[in-house]
Amino acid sequence: ILNVEQSPQSLHVQEGDSTNFTCSFPSSNFYALHWYRWETAKSPEALFVMTLNGDEKKKGRISATLNTKEGYSYLYIKGSQPEDSATYLCAFLYNTDKLIFGTGTRLQVFP
Amino acid sequence: ETGVTQTPRHLVMGMTNKKSLKCEQHLGHNAMYWYKQSAKKPLELMFVYSLEERVENNSVPSRFSPECPNSSHLFLHLHTLQPEDSALYLCASSQDRTGNQPQHFGDGTRLSIL
Repeated sequence: ILNVEQSPQSLHVQEGDSTNFTCSFPSSNFYALHWYRWETAKSPEALFVMTLNGDEKKKGRISATLNTKEGYSYLYIKGSQPEDSATYLCAFLYNTDKLIFGTGTRLQVFP
Repeated sequence: ETGVTQTPRHLVMGMTNKKSLKCEQHLGHNAMYWYKQSAKKPLELMFVYSLEERVENNSVPSRFSPECPNSSHLFLHLHTLQPEDSALYLCASSQDRTGNQPQHFGDGTRLSIL
């Protein structure tokens, strides 16, 4: 059974703190790794699609790294703001067209 | 505005009812997906359509019946559902089904089975 693990399950930080979370996935048959941000009562929004070992991607204060050999990706948020509060999902691409999602990391940023 | 619209947003139905969920995308995408999210579980892929052809049925019970009449529209027909089918149903689309493109999601339909 393919499993995508995300940790921690939830995180509470103060405004201005930097934070990071982890996505672990099977290291064999890797095709791509997706990150999504899901705010309450909204739709999941794509952050990054990563395909190459060693990939680093950045979007504003959010960045992600990828290690396909050991099967993990880190998502970093620099200087967290209250509007960053959301659930962050990662998804492992299995079999070229099937995304396996983790349960997400729920981030709450307090002013 | 995500470009993917789902209706209705909420649906309450009895186990003997028949209803349909609708998804529409105006992004020019060729692949569309149905996902289910049950409480405290990850998003679970149900169906994949590429160029209006079903390419994946992820062991979904036959009481869920998808339909893709054209590349912009996707339906999920529901009949004789069970209480455990209560969940959030999300539709998504992507440029193609290779998985190297991000998926664009709708806001979902919250389904409750009485």
